Amino acid sequence: GEDVEQSLFLSVREGDSSVINCTYTDSSSTYLYWYKQEPGAGLQLLTYIFSNMDMKQDQRLTVLLNKKDKHLSLRIADTQTGDSAIYFCAEWADSSYKLIFGSGTRLLVRP
Amino acid sequence: NAGVTQTPKFQVLKTGQSMTLQCAQDMNHEYMSWYRQDPGMGLRLIHYSVGAGITDQGEVPNGYNVSRSTTEDFPLRLLSAAPSQTSVYFCASSSPGEGGHEQYFGPGTRLTVT
Repeated sequence: GEDVEQSLFLSVREGDSSVINCTYTDSSSTYLYWYKQEPGAGLQLLTYIFSNMDMKQDQRLTVLLNKKDKHLSLRIADTQTGDSAIYFCAEWADSSYKLIFGSGTRLLVRP
Repeated sequence: NAGVTQTPKFQVLKTGQSMTLQCAQDMNHEYMSWYRQDPGMGLRLIHYSVGAGITDQGEVPNGYNVSRSTTEDFPLRLLSAAPSQTSVYFCASSSPGEGGHEQYFGPGTRLTVT
């Protein structure tokens, strides 16, 4: 079945890079997503990567995908206090037609 | 476009009461889904629909019913509310595109069952 796992918490200093990791089990995943959720708000799509790509860069965000190990990471460069939020990775598999989420990583950015 | 709208924003129910959470989208998306979010558990899929007249179960469907009579609307019904259904509920919609099935989320409904 599908399962997505993330570490629960990450704390970084403002200006440093943050790396949030995620592992997934469904090898038929076609798209992998990163969402951001600020307190009391809904989910905002940050970026996505197609399964035939290894890396995608979008301004301060870099997504790395290791298909062999089923490992996905999100790097945020020059992390700011406004980046403090919960980050969810999610996988979409055309075989199941579902979006399955990880439990979320709470990022705390210290001044 | 209003995107995905959900009503109500907040609701308190007594155990055994029934209610319907409303979800509507104006983007002509085929795919709609309901998730519940509980602390430390991420979002879990309750039910989803790939088009009008078609629904299917997600990971945690028990205690919930859905129907999809139009493309725009996807209501979620709680027939007999239980305290275990206290949660934040999110509706989402999508259509296939460049980003796969990029989901657009509503603002959520915070439900408390006492």
